[in-house]
Amino acid sequence: EVQLVESGGGLVKPGRSLRLSCTAAGFTFSDYALSWFRQAPGKGLEWVSFIRTKAYGGTTEYAASVKGRFSISRDDSKSIAYLQMNSLKTEDTAVYYCTRDHEGAANYYYYMDVWGKGTTVTVSS
Amino acid sequence: DIVMTQSPATLSVSPGERATLSCRASQSVSSNLAWYQQKPGQAPRLLIHGASTRATGIPARFSGSGSGTEFTLTISSLQSEDFAVYYCQHYNNWPPFTFGPGTKVDIK
Repeated sequence: EVQLVESGGGLVKPGRSLRLSCTAAGFTFSDYALSWFRQAPGKGLEWVSFIRTKAYGGTTEYAASVKGRFSISRDDSKSIAYLQMNSLKTEDTAVYYCTRDHEGAANYYYYMDVWGKGTTVTVSS
Repeated sequence: DIVMTQSPATLSVSPGERATLSCRASQSVSSNLAWYQQKPGQAPRLLIHGASTRATGIPARFSGSGSGTEFTLTISSLQSEDFAVYYCQHYNNWPPFTFGPGTKVDIK
Protein backbone atom coordinates (compact mmCIF):
# COMPACT_ATOMS: atom_id res chain seq x y z
CA GLU A 1 0.00 0.00 0.00
CA VAL A 2 1.29 3.44 -0.92
CA GLN A 3 1.54 5.55 2.21
CA LEU A 4 3.28 8.44 3.87
CA VAL A 5 3.57 8.74 7.64
CA GLU A 6 4.59 12.00 9.29
CA SER A 7 6.15 12.18 12.72
CA GLY A 8 8.04 14.57 14.95
CA GLY A 9 5.34 17.08 15.76
CA GLY A 10 4.74 18.41 19.24
CA LEU A 11 4.60 21.43 21.49
CA VAL A 12 7.56 23.78 21.21
CA LYS A 13 8.34 27.28 22.45
CA PRO A 14 8.77 30.21 20.07
CA GLY A 15 12.30 30.48 18.75
CA ARG A 16 13.01 26.79 19.18
CA SER A 17 13.52 24.10 16.52
CA LEU A 18 11.76 20.93 15.48
CA ARG A 19 12.42 18.32 12.82
CA LEU A 20 9.57 16.55 11.10
CA SER A 21 9.97 13.23 9.29
CA CYS A 22 7.94 11.73 6.49
CA THR A 23 8.41 7.99 6.06
CA ALA A 24 7.26 6.48 2.78
CA ALA A 25 6.23 2.95 1.88
CA GLY A 26 4.78 1.12 -1.08
CA PHE A 27 6.52 2.98 -3.90
CA THR A 28 9.98 3.84 -5.20
CA PHE A 29 10.69 6.87 -3.04
CA SER A 30 13.62 8.12 -5.12
CA ASP A 31 11.41 8.48 -8.20
CA TYR A 32 9.19 11.16 -6.70
CA ALA A 33 9.39 14.78 -5.69
CA LEU A 34 7.92 15.58 -2.28
CA SER A 35 6.31 18.54 -0.60
CA TRP A 36 5.29 19.70 2.83
CA PHE A 37 2.02 21.53 3.36
CA ARG A 38 0.40 22.86 6.50
CA GLN A 39 -3.04 23.74 7.76
CA ALA A 40 -3.50 26.08 10.71
CA PRO A 41 -6.47 25.31 12.99
CA GLY A 42 -9.71 26.04 11.16
CA LYS A 43 -7.87 27.41 8.12
CA GLY A 44 -7.10 26.39 4.58
CA LEU A 45 -4.10 24.65 3.05
CA GLU A 46 -0.72 26.31 2.65
CA TRP A 47 2.25 24.98 0.70
CA VAL A 48 5.50 25.07 2.70
CA SER A 49 8.33 23.42 0.80
CA PHE A 50 9.23 21.15 -2.13
CA ILE A 51 12.17 18.94 -3.05
CA ARG A 52 12.89 17.45 -6.45
CA THR A 53 14.28 14.02 -7.12
CA LYS A 54 18.04 13.51 -7.30
CA ALA A 55 17.58 13.01 -11.06
CA TYR A 56 16.54 16.67 -11.22
CA GLY A 57 19.24 17.81 -8.84
CA GLY A 58 17.31 17.43 -5.59
CA THR A 59 16.72 21.17 -5.65
CA THR A 60 14.39 22.80 -3.17
CA GLU A 61 11.76 25.53 -3.02
CA TYR A 62 10.21 27.35 -0.07
CA ALA A 63 7.23 29.51 0.69
CA ALA A 64 8.17 33.09 1.50
CA SER A 65 6.78 32.68 5.02
CA VAL A 66 9.34 29.99 5.92
CA LYS A 67 12.30 30.77 3.66
CA GLY A 68 15.51 31.04 5.68
CA ARG A 69 13.96 29.26 8.68
CA PHE A 70 12.86 25.87 7.30
CA SER A 71 14.93 23.34 5.37
CA ILE A 72 13.69 20.31 3.44
CA SER A 73 15.84 17.28 2.73
CA ARG A 74 15.50 13.66 1.71
CA ASP A 75 17.27 10.37 2.40
CA ASP A 76 16.40 8.08 -0.48
CA SER A 77 18.22 5.14 1.15
CA LYS A 78 15.74 5.29 4.03
CA SER A 79 12.68 6.54 2.09
CA ILE A 80 12.38 9.49 4.47
CA ALA A 81 11.91 13.18 3.88
CA TYR A 82 12.61 15.76 6.57
CA LEU A 83 11.50 19.27 7.37
CA GLN A 84 13.88 21.05 9.71
CA MET A 85 12.05 23.97 11.28
CA ASN A 86 14.13 26.63 13.06
CA SER A 87 13.20 29.92 14.74
CA LEU A 88 9.63 28.76 15.11
CA LYS A 89 6.88 31.33 15.48
CA THR A 90 3.38 31.03 16.92
CA GLU A 91 2.02 31.40 13.40
CA ASP A 92 3.75 28.14 12.41
CA THR A 93 1.20 26.27 14.53
CA ALA A 94 -0.54 23.84 12.19
CA VAL A 95 -0.99 20.28 11.06
CA TYR A 96 1.88 19.50 8.71
CA TYR A 97 1.33 17.11 5.81
CA CYS A 98 3.86 15.58 3.47
CA THR A 99 2.87 14.67 -0.05
CA ARG A 100 4.10 12.60 -2.92
CA ASP A 101 4.27 14.83 -5.96
CA HIS A 102 3.44 13.37 -9.32
CA GLU A 103 4.78 14.84 -12.53
CA GLY A 104 2.08 16.25 -14.75
CA ALA A 105 2.44 17.16 -18.40
CA ALA A 106 6.13 18.00 -17.97
CA ASN A 107 8.72 17.82 -15.24
CA TYR A 108 7.88 21.33 -14.09
CA TYR A 109 4.25 20.50 -13.28
CA TYR A 110 3.50 18.53 -10.14
CA TYR A 111 0.26 17.59 -8.47
CA MET A 112 0.01 15.98 -5.04
CA ASP A 113 -1.36 12.47 -5.43
CA VAL A 114 -0.65 10.96 -2.01
CA TRP A 115 -0.97 12.72 1.35
CA GLY A 116 0.08 11.57 4.78
CA LYS A 117 -2.28 11.88 7.74
CA GLY A 118 -0.30 14.78 9.17
CA THR A 119 1.54 15.66 12.36
CA THR A 120 0.57 18.53 14.65
CA VAL A 121 3.01 21.29 15.53
CA THR A 122 2.06 23.73 18.27
CA VAL A 123 4.28 26.73 18.91
CA SER A 124 3.41 28.36 22.20
CA SER A 125 5.12 29.73 25.26
CA ASP B 1 1.58 34.84 -6.81
CA ILE B 2 -1.51 33.36 -8.40
CA VAL B 3 -4.61 33.92 -6.28
CA MET B 4 -7.26 31.20 -6.34
CA THR B 5 -10.85 31.96 -5.43
CA GLN B 6 -13.74 29.55 -4.96
CA SER B 7 -17.49 29.93 -4.92
CA PRO B 8 -19.73 29.48 -3.17
CA ALA B 9 -18.14 29.32 0.27
CA THR B 10 -20.85 26.88 1.37
CA LEU B 11 -23.14 24.77 -0.78
CA SER B 12 -26.14 23.06 0.79
CA VAL B 13 -27.26 20.06 -1.24
CA SER B 14 -29.62 17.15 -0.69
CA PRO B 15 -28.31 13.59 -1.18
CA GLY B 16 -28.78 12.53 -4.79
CA GLU B 17 -28.67 16.08 -6.11
CA ARG B 18 -26.01 17.60 -8.33
CA ALA B 19 -23.37 19.94 -6.91
CA THR B 20 -21.41 22.43 -8.97
CA LEU B 21 -18.35 24.10 -7.45
CA SER B 22 -16.41 26.93 -9.08
CA CYS B 23 -12.76 27.92 -8.95
CA ARG B 24 -11.11 30.92 -10.52
CA ALA B 25 -7.43 31.79 -10.94
CA SER B 26 -6.10 35.36 -11.02
CA GLN B 27 -4.13 34.49 -14.17
CA SER B 28 -4.12 31.59 -16.56
CA VAL B 29 -2.99 28.26 -15.10
CA SER B 30 -3.65 26.39 -18.33
CA SER B 31 -4.96 22.96 -17.28
CA ASN B 32 -2.59 22.67 -14.32
CA LEU B 33 -5.36 22.58 -11.75
CA ALA B 34 -6.18 19.98 -9.12
CA TRP B 35 -9.18 19.41 -6.87
CA TYR B 36 -8.92 17.89 -3.40
CA GLN B 37 -11.53 16.68 -0.94
CA GLN B 38 -11.01 17.03 2.79
CA LYS B 39 -13.20 15.58 5.51
CA PRO B 40 -12.98 16.74 9.14
CA GLY B 41 -9.87 15.41 10.87
CA GLN B 42 -8.54 13.86 7.68
CA ALA B 43 -5.87 14.72 5.14
CA PRO B 44 -6.85 16.06 1.74
CA ARG B 45 -7.45 13.50 -1.00
CA LEU B 46 -6.70 14.13 -4.66
CA LEU B 47 -9.84 13.95 -6.80
CA ILE B 48 -8.92 15.58 -10.11
CA HIS B 49 -5.68 16.64 -11.78
CA GLY B 50 -5.04 18.25 -15.13
CA ALA B 51 -8.38 20.06 -14.59
CA SER B 52 -10.39 17.06 -15.78
CA THR B 53 -8.59 13.75 -15.11
CA ARG B 54 -9.96 11.72 -12.24
CA ALA B 55 -7.34 10.37 -9.86
CA THR B 56 -7.03 6.65 -9.29
CA GLY B 57 -10.04 5.19 -7.50
CA ILE B 58 -12.19 8.33 -7.71
CA PRO B 59 -15.82 7.57 -8.64
CA ALA B 60 -17.16 8.69 -12.00
CA ARG B 61 -19.72 10.98 -10.32
CA PHE B 62 -16.83 13.44 -9.83
CA SER B 63 -15.90 15.40 -12.93
CA GLY B 64 -13.78 18.46 -13.58
CA SER B 65 -13.77 20.94 -16.42
CA GLY B 66 -12.29 24.24 -17.48
CA SER B 67 -8.96 25.72 -18.47
CA GLY B 68 -7.19 29.03 -18.22
CA THR B 69 -8.80 30.85 -15.33
CA GLU B 70 -12.22 29.24 -14.87
CA PHE B 71 -12.77 25.74 -13.53
CA THR B 72 -15.66 23.64 -12.30
CA LEU B 73 -15.95 20.52 -10.16
CA THR B 74 -19.24 18.69 -10.56
CA ILE B 75 -20.55 15.93 -8.34
CA SER B 76 -23.37 14.41 -10.34
CA SER B 77 -25.34 12.74 -7.54
CA LEU B 78 -24.18 13.49 -4.03
CA GLN B 79 -23.63 10.55 -1.72
CA SER B 80 -23.43 10.83 2.07
CA GLU B 81 -19.66 10.37 1.96
CA ASP B 82 -19.25 13.39 -0.34
CA PHE B 83 -20.11 15.99 2.28
CA ALA B 84 -16.74 17.64 2.85
CA VAL B 85 -14.64 20.68 1.98
CA TYR B 86 -13.31 20.90 -1.56
CA TYR B 87 -10.17 22.83 -2.50
CA CYS B 88 -8.80 23.76 -5.89
CA GLN B 89 -5.05 24.24 -6.31
CA HIS B 90 -2.93 25.34 -9.24
CA TYR B 91 0.45 23.92 -10.14
CA ASN B 92 1.21 26.09 -13.13
CA ASN B 93 3.45 29.07 -12.46
CA TRP B 94 4.97 28.09 -9.10
CA PRO B 95 6.38 28.52 -6.51
CA PRO B 96 4.21 28.96 -4.68
CA PHE B 97 1.52 26.36 -5.13
CA THR B 98 -1.66 28.08 -3.98
CA PHE B 99 -5.10 26.87 -3.00
CA GLY B 100 -8.52 28.39 -3.05
CA PRO B 101 -10.19 29.00 0.33
CA GLY B 102 -12.41 25.95 -0.12
CA THR B 103 -16.10 25.20 -0.66
CA LYS B 104 -17.90 23.36 2.10
CA VAL B 105 -20.58 21.01 0.80
CA ASP B 106 -23.07 20.26 3.52
CA ILE B 107 -26.38 18.50 3.83
CA LYS B 108 -29.49 20.51 2.98
